[in-house]
Amino acid sequence: DIQMTQSPSSLSASVGDRVTITCRASQSISGYLNWYQQKPGKAPKLLIYAASILQSAVPSRFSGSGSETDFTLTVSGLQPEDFATYYCQQSYRTPYTFGQGTNLEIK
Amino acid sequence: QVQLQESGPGLVKPSQTLSLTCTVSGGSISSGDYYWSWIRQPPGKGLEWIGYIYYSGDTYYSPSLKSRITMSMHTSKNQFSLRLTSVSAADTAVYYCARGVDSYGYPYDYWGQGTLVTVSS
Repeated sequence: DIQMTQSPSSLSASVGDRVTITCRASQSISGYLNWYQQKPGKAPKLLIYAASILQSAVPSRFSGSGSETDFTLTVSGLQPEDFATYYCQQSYRTPYTFGQGTNLEIK
Repeated sequence: QVQLQESGPGLVKPSQTLSLTCTVSGGSISSGDYYWSWIRQPPGKGLEWIGYIYYSGDTYYSPSLKSRITMSMHTSKNQFSLRLTSVSAADTAVYYCARGVDSYGYPYDYWGQGTLVTVSS
């Protein structure tokens, strides 16, 4: 299985900050990397797919980059509704594994 | 608007079989543009990918669960289902069904709200 490792596991930030979350794959996954946002008690929501393509209706303050093994999710200008847990997921090879999650909290 | 809704028992006894159904509205599960998955999340933990089924009936299961899983489609009802046998407390989780896009990136663009299944006697 391809292992996905996110860092940091948790992050404290303030409204208006710019934050970056990193996801590293245990082997090359080309650009087959997706990012999801999950709020407590809710299903995950797709933010970014294929490493850098913004899902429809997702605010442009979210952006993704990377390829092969190293990927980042950046949120520019945090809004109160952005405080949540973020997961990366590889869709290069089954089983489609997820990172362990990054909990973004309000400072 | 596509919607997915999980249904099934919320409590299952150890060693028994967990059965869940996902009902899809706003789109056909027979479309070749998508694949259909189950993903679970133990309480307070991260997401675990279970497997998928295509409109053709082809399936792929996580190796860690493969011996206990069966997924099937019920096209006349626009539903797909999950069976997990010989459950234990480790299978306690919120189970999500999700639609995967069968194109670049293969992301999950629609999810059900999730259903909590507790394994306990």
